[in-house]
Amino acid sequence: GENVEQHPSTLSVQEGDSAVIKCTYSDSASNYFPWYKQELGKRPQLIIDIRSNVGEKKDQRIAVTLNKTAKHFSLHITETQPEDSAVYFCAASISGTSYGKLTFGQGTILTVHP
Amino acid sequence: EAEVAQSPRYKITEKSQAVAFWCDPISGHATLYWYRQILGQGPELLVQFQDESVVDDSQLPKDRFSAERLKGVDSTLKIQPAELGDSAMYLCASSYLGRGYTFGSGTRLTVV
Repeated sequence: GENVEQHPSTLSVQEGDSAVIKCTYSDSASNYFPWYKQELGKRPQLIIDIRSNVGEKKDQRIAVTLNKTAKHFSLHITETQPEDSAVYFCAASISGTSYGKLTFGQGTILTVHP
Repeated sequence: EAEVAQSPRYKITEKSQAVAFWCDPISGHATLYWYRQILGQGPELLVQFQDESVVDDSQLPKDRFSAERLKGVDSTLKIQPAELGDSAMYLCASSYLGRGYTFGSGTRLTVV
């Protein structure tokens, strides 16, 4: 089955700096890669996603890049703010079929210091 | 905005007791997933339904856990008997062919 590795497990940055979180996946059939932000005690919230036919996607301060050949994808947050502090999870799945099971990475605790 | 409904939000139960969680997916979402998230870890799939049929329950501890989706709409996840290690957040999600993936608010289970 799919295996997703996520690094780093913790990331501490100063407000205004950039943050990068990286994930690798094992199943070359995976074609959908979402990123979730989870605050303490709350549900994972989708913040951005990318499909395998696209190499990069950007939404304001957040961007995701995908390298299908190397089977890795990354989340980039620019101009970080204290409210970006949370746990971030990457995931991979085979979308568009009856499967769609998400396999999650282990999570990254991001702390943005004012 | 359509939501996945889950209840209860919080549940405290004693070891060896039975506990059940309920989920109502977004209307039209044929695929329903139950995930378990242990504190400090990513969610892990327990069981996946396509309509009323189980398509993946490989990670479901079947000696104590059971799940059903009798009419292909709402679903119930049961644990009997509960163990201390079952303390976790139980998240339900739904999708249409893997698209429009939406999580519910989850049930926080504490086994004492």
